[in-house]
Amino acid sequence: SQTIHQWPATLVQPVGSPLSLECTVEGTSNPNLYWYRQAAGRGLQLLFYSIGIGQISSEVPQNLSASRPQDRQFILSSKTLLLSDSGFYLCAWSGGMSQDYTFGSGTRLTVV
Amino acid sequence: QKEVEQNSGPLSVPEGAIASLNCTYSDRVSQSFFWYRQYSGKSPELIMSIYSNGDKEDGRFTAQLNKASQYVSLLIRDSQPSDSATYLCAVFSGSARQLTFGSGTQLTVLP
Repeated sequence: SQTIHQWPATLVQPVGSPLSLECTVEGTSNPNLYWYRQAAGRGLQLLFYSIGIGQISSEVPQNLSASRPQDRQFILSSKTLLLSDSGFYLCAWSGGMSQDYTFGSGTRLTVV
Repeated sequence: QKEVEQNSGPLSVPEGAIASLNCTYSDRVSQSFFWYRQYSGKSPELIMSIYSNGDKEDGRFTAQLNKASQYVSLLIRDSQPSDSATYLCAVFSGSARQLTFGSGTQLTVLP
């Protein structure tokens, strides 16, 4: 069966520090991968999606970037965090015959 | 105009009642429709999917789809306090080839 791993679960970072969040999927190949952010009490905001290695589409211009160095690995990064980057970051995957997304457990990021 | 719209709530129902959650979408070529449940502080989990007009039942949950009206709903029968969560409607857009999520409806089931 397919599983998605996301870490860390929580993170507190100072303003101006870098960020690296990692997501990996097991049990499938060539998944579509997604990064979402959810502010407190708000809906899901799609940040990036990827249909293959090295193929990244950005939905919202900001100081975040994403990379997909391997087929089942998706990384969200920032060189310099802002207070407004605080939120709940979710990785998701889709693929095969199903059009639904499966989410990882999320990373709660607090920028202080 | 938002592509997928939901009443944000909060929606409160007493335990044992039927909770009705509604969602409308704008893309007429949408193909697949999903309901996710998100507990506070947790990630969304898929609870229902529906692909054709009509009703689909799974335990206490019933999803209803009306493509002509561009409307999808989720009914929760015999609501329990454990059903208290935010429910996200998601629509697979035929044009964008992606899931588009509504902003969610917060449901509280009162014991």
